[in-house]
Amino acid sequence: QKEVEQNSGPLSVPEGAIASLNCTYSDRGSQSFFWYRQYSGKSPELIMFIYSNGDKEDGRFTAQLNKASQYVSLLIRDSQPSDSATYLCAVNNPGGGNKLTFGTGTQLKVEL
Amino acid sequence: GAGVSQSPSNKVTEKGKDVELRCDPISGHTALYWYRQRLGQGLEFLIYFQGNSAPDKSGLPSDRFSAERTGESVSTLTIQRTQQEDSAVYLCASSQGQGTWYGYTFGSGTRLTVV
Repeated sequence: QKEVEQNSGPLSVPEGAIASLNCTYSDRGSQSFFWYRQYSGKSPELIMFIYSNGDKEDGRFTAQLNKASQYVSLLIRDSQPSDSATYLCAVNNPGGGNKLTFGTGTQLKVEL
Repeated sequence: GAGVSQSPSNKVTEKGKDVELRCDPISGHTALYWYRQRLGQGLEFLIYFQGNSAPDKSGLPSDRFSAERTGESVSTLTIQRTQQEDSAVYLCASSQGQGTWYGYTFGSGTRLTVV
C-alpha cells in the first residue's frame, strides 16, 4: 500500500462545477495535510493546509479532513479553466522523519 | 531572497559526467529539502537539512548522489557519473521551521537531461 494515494485522473469537470479531489493516507499518526497545485512544466505551489478534522475554507477552495477514515479531500467551487492542473496531496509521516510524503497527483481538467 | 532560487534551470550533460545543482532558500528558512520528479511521476524525496542537525539522507538513491548545506544558506546537490535514469526535474524546497507543519515553498527546479 502506498503511503499517500490519489486517483491519477484525469478528472474532467465543466466550467462552474464543483471539482472534488480525494486522497487517502496510510499512517494513522499523520497530523498535517497539504494540497499543492502544479501546472504543467512548473513547480508545485501550496494552496491549502489542514490539521484538524472537518472543513477548512479559503475562497473557492475547501479542504476536508477525516482522520478516522484516513482521507483528505479538496473541493474547488465554481471551477475555472485556470484551475486545470495536477493537484498533489502531501502528508507528514511521523514514522518517516520530518518530511512530507506526496501522492502522485490528480490531473484536473476544467472544460469550457 | 523573495523565493527559493535554483540554478541552473536547465542542464544537459553527457552520461558519466558529474553535475552540481544549486539551491538558495528563502532567507530565514531553516529547513531545506531536495526532491526529484521524473516525467509524469510524483515527487521522490532525496534529502533534508534542518539547521545544524545531521541531514536525513534516507532518500538518496545511490552513493553517486550527495548534498551539502552550509548553515542555513545555500545547498548543492551533486550527482557523480550521471546515468540516463537520473534525467528528471530536481526540486528544492525550503520551510520555516519544520516543513511538516508549515508546508514547503518550492523553487522552480532544475531540469536535468542526461544524454
